[in-house]
Amino acid sequence: ETGVTQTPRHLVMGMTNKKSLKCEQHLGHNAMYWYKQSAKKPLELMFVYNFKEQTENNSVPSRFSPECPNSSHLFLHLHTLQPEDSALYLCASSQDRGAGKSYEQYFGPGTRLTVT
Amino acid sequence: QKEVEQNSGPLSVPEGAIASLNCTYSDRGSQSFFWYRQYSGKSPELIMFIYSNGDKEDGRFTAQLNKASQYVSLLIRDSQPSDSATYLCAVNHSTSGTYKYIFGTGTRLKVLA
Repeated sequence: ETGVTQTPRHLVMGMTNKKSLKCEQHLGHNAMYWYKQSAKKPLELMFVYNFKEQTENNSVPSRFSPECPNSSHLFLHLHTLQPEDSALYLCASSQDRGAGKSYEQYFGPGTRLTVT
Repeated sequence: QKEVEQNSGPLSVPEGAIASLNCTYSDRGSQSFFWYRQYSGKSPELIMFIYSNGDKEDGRFTAQLNKASQYVSLLIRDSQPSDSATYLCAVNHSTSGTYKYIFGTGTRLKVLA
């Protein structure tokens, strides 16, 4: 266990559904991330939050909507997804030490999402 | 040019041998370098990180960084079948006060018993 939990672990949803992914970190970190991992592709950074503020939105479609109510919790709200959005969604956290230096990331177990 | 490049493999080594995994990166301003291990169907697990030129050893693992050549490697000594996994190289660099982690596509390692 890395101290980062994600729920649900598996999710099947239709294209018209609305669902949310949840991530919680117990490491006292101040930065949290959402990544998408598709087969044969590198990890794709989607969103970054530092001290609850979004600092990165990597050209992600608006059908993905992040929310970070506090530095320990991160959500990814999903609506009207496409089949190509099927992937492993990973949450990670790290400690941002400022001055442009951050430290290693710890990943949660991921949510395997299938869009039908 | 990809920002972080790794040979996809598979790299096959016999049990007990040294496995050498390589990674090159394009941004000279990169500051931090990480190796993750990912088993099939699982999430990435941090193995090593290195910030300074030279070698860093942790048990059977050694990370090597050469910033002049923009090259980072991971050596696994006395390879075991349980080391069979995909190894991801990640690079962190700062731009205008914000930073990004960039991952390679990973190298698949097979350790043959």
